[in-house]
Amino acid sequence: AQTVTQSQPEMSVQEAETVTLSCTYDTSESDYYLFWYKQPPSRQMILVIRQEAYKQQNATENRFSVNFQKAAKSFSLKISDSQLGDAAMYFCAYRSPGAGSYQLTFGKGTKLSVIP
Amino acid sequence: GAGVSQSPSNKVTEKGKDVELRCDPISGHTALYWYRQSLGQGLEFLIYFQGNSAPDKSGLPSDRFSAERTGGSVSTLTIQRTQQEDSAVYLCASSYNRAPGELFFGEGSRLTVL
Repeated sequence: AQTVTQSQPEMSVQEAETVTLSCTYDTSESDYYLFWYKQPPSRQMILVIRQEAYKQQNATENRFSVNFQKAAKSFSLKISDSQLGDAAMYFCAYRSPGAGSYQLTFGKGTKLSVIP
Repeated sequence: GAGVSQSPSNKVTEKGKDVELRCDPISGHTALYWYRQSLGQGLEFLIYFQGNSAPDKSGLPSDRFSAERTGGSVSTLTIQRTQQEDSAVYLCASSYNRAPGELFFGEGSRLTVL
C-alpha cells in the first residue's frame, strides 16, 4: 500500500517570501499521480497543482511549483511571493494510474501560516 | 449546481443517535467519494461509488457506517448509534473517473457527538 508522509505539521512564512512544503511517499509503482491540495478554513479542499510521474518536468501553476524527485520519492511544493490568502492546510496526495485506481492517499497535512 | 454540495454544514448529536449526511456531486461526475477528516489528521477514505458498479466499502470503520447513492447522483452517508469517536468532518468529493483523477470536494459536514 502506498503511504504519504508530510514531516512538517506547521510552517510559517513572511508575506512576499518563499516557502517550501515537504512530502515523501512510498510506492512500488512506476507510474502514478501526485497532487497538492489546499484546505482553507472554509474546509473545501482545492487542487493546487498536480504532477504525473512519467513527466520529468516539474509542474508549475503561477506562484506554485513542485520539485519532483522520482528516485527519492519526494514531491515538495514551493510557494513564491506568499500572500495572506495562502494561509491554509496543505495536503499532499498520491493516486495510482488506471481507471480502477481511484483512491487518493493523503498525508496528514501541513498548516501554513503567513505573517503580514 | 456548480460545485459539490454537502448538508448539513454542521451537526451536533447525542451519543447513540443516528445521523444522515448528504452529498450532491457535480453534475456529470460518475465517481463519488466519502472521506473522514478527524482533528489533526489527514483524510481517511471511507467509501467510493462509480456509476452503477458495486461501491467500494473497504474504508468504512464499522458496520454502524453505511452509504448509498441514488440514481447515480446524490449520496447519503448514515452513521447509526453514533459514538464520540465519530466526531469529525466528513468530506464528499466527485470526479470523472479517468486519469489524472482530480477530485472536487464539498465543504464538508462537521459532526460533533456529545
